[in-house]
Amino acid sequence: DTGVSQDPRHKITKRGQNVTFRCDPISEHNRLYWYRQTLGQGPEFLTYFQNEAQLEKSRLLSDRFSAERPKGSFSTLEIQRTEQGDSAMYLCASLASGVSYEQYFGPGTRLTVT
Amino acid sequence: AQSVTQLGSHVSVSEGALVLLRCNYSSSVPPYLFWYVQYPNQGLQLLLKYTTGATLVKGINGFEAEFKKSETSFHLTKPSAHMSDAAEYFCAVSERGNQGGKLIFGQGTELSVKP
Repeated sequence: DTGVSQDPRHKITKRGQNVTFRCDPISEHNRLYWYRQTLGQGPEFLTYFQNEAQLEKSRLLSDRFSAERPKGSFSTLEIQRTEQGDSAMYLCASLASGVSYEQYFGPGTRLTVT
Repeated sequence: AQSVTQLGSHVSVSEGALVLLRCNYSSSVPPYLFWYVQYPNQGLQLLLKYTTGATLVKGINGFEAEFKKSETSFHLTKPSAHMSDAAEYFCAVSERGNQGGKLIFGQGTELSVKP
């Protein structure tokens, strides 16, 4: 499978716990994006990277959220002190900048905070 | 700031009927325009996009969309619906001149296809 992969696919956690999600983009793609999707809504942009540089962060991304892409390959999204409002599907996408306009999406990680 | 409005959160059509899903954008400069489809518990798949050139664009699975600058619209159509078209459809935009920029999505339209 050469698509975008995300791990885990599902995560249930208790309020106040920290969680970390991983995204592995398509290997030759230099841009990587994180989006959040709540039930009945379209995805909302969170942040994106070009190689290892974080180029933009949404105002939605509170101080409890942090994302990294240390070697310009996979990325992690960490949420500290989770709240019930963090329950959502977290989507990762990748793109080959300068080559394509298409962002390829992974299957998502569904987070449930109890 | 850019925004996207999809008219109708739910659309129901009969198998074989025309599919029309509406999308309007708000932007001072016409953006790049996209339609994505999402099947249950899956990620998003690109149906088609408009970046430049011909304003009528054809995508996968028989879908097409027309960019109308005067109406700030990018409606999605398919002449004949199939049961397998039942899914959630999202219109999205990104800033022109920033190839590979972030996507701004509409709220989505759920398409149901009746036999």
